[in-house]
Amino acid sequence: GNSVTQMEGPVTLSEEAFLTINCTYTATGYPSLFWYVQYPGEGLQLLLKATKADDKGSNKGFEATYRKETTSFHLEKGSVQVSDSAVYFCALSDLGGGYQKVTFGIGTKLQVIP
Amino acid sequence: DADVTQTPRNRITKTGKRIMLECSQTKGHDRMYWYRQDPGLGLQLIYYSFDVKDINKGEISDGYSVSRQAQAKFSLSLESAIPNQTALYFCATSEGVADTQYFGPGTRLTVL
Repeated sequence: GNSVTQMEGPVTLSEEAFLTINCTYTATGYPSLFWYVQYPGEGLQLLLKATKADDKGSNKGFEATYRKETTSFHLEKGSVQVSDSAVYFCALSDLGGGYQKVTFGIGTKLQVIP
Repeated sequence: DADVTQTPRNRITKTGKRIMLECSQTKGHDRMYWYRQDPGLGLQLIYYSFDVKDINKGEISDGYSVSRQAQAKFSLSLESAIPNQTALYFCATSEGVADTQYFGPGTRLTVL
């Protein structure tokens, strides 16, 4: 079946540091890939997505590139802010028997300190 | 106003009680989902519905049931709550296959 692997963290960075959160996946088909972010006390919200190989998703300074050859979708940001502290979920969406199936990673907690 | 709302936001109950969690959406989406979130496990799909007449079990449906009262409403019930159902529950909607999912704010359920 499909799976998504990411580290649980927490990842602790100083403000303005470079961020990388690794995400690798296994899928039987050609999935769409997503990064969702969950701020404290809130539901998940889409951060960015990519629907085919070599696509780059970007939003709010974050970006991730769909790498089919390495089955990866790593999240990066050049300079993090305290307000980026949250839990980040990598996810894939795939057709299974004609139905959309979304598989989430366990979530990586990011703490940015001033 | 929020597009996906959940009630209640917090609930404490006792073992054996019946509990209903409600979800409403104003996005006009046909597809709705119920997930539970546990530390270290990410999100697990409980049930999903692609329209009012189409309801399907997810990965962890045992001990849960759902009702799709209308396009905009999707309720999750715990017929006889047990402590290991203590978790954060999320409702979500999407427009179509492989589309972005829109999440509600979550319901924190504690079963004593």
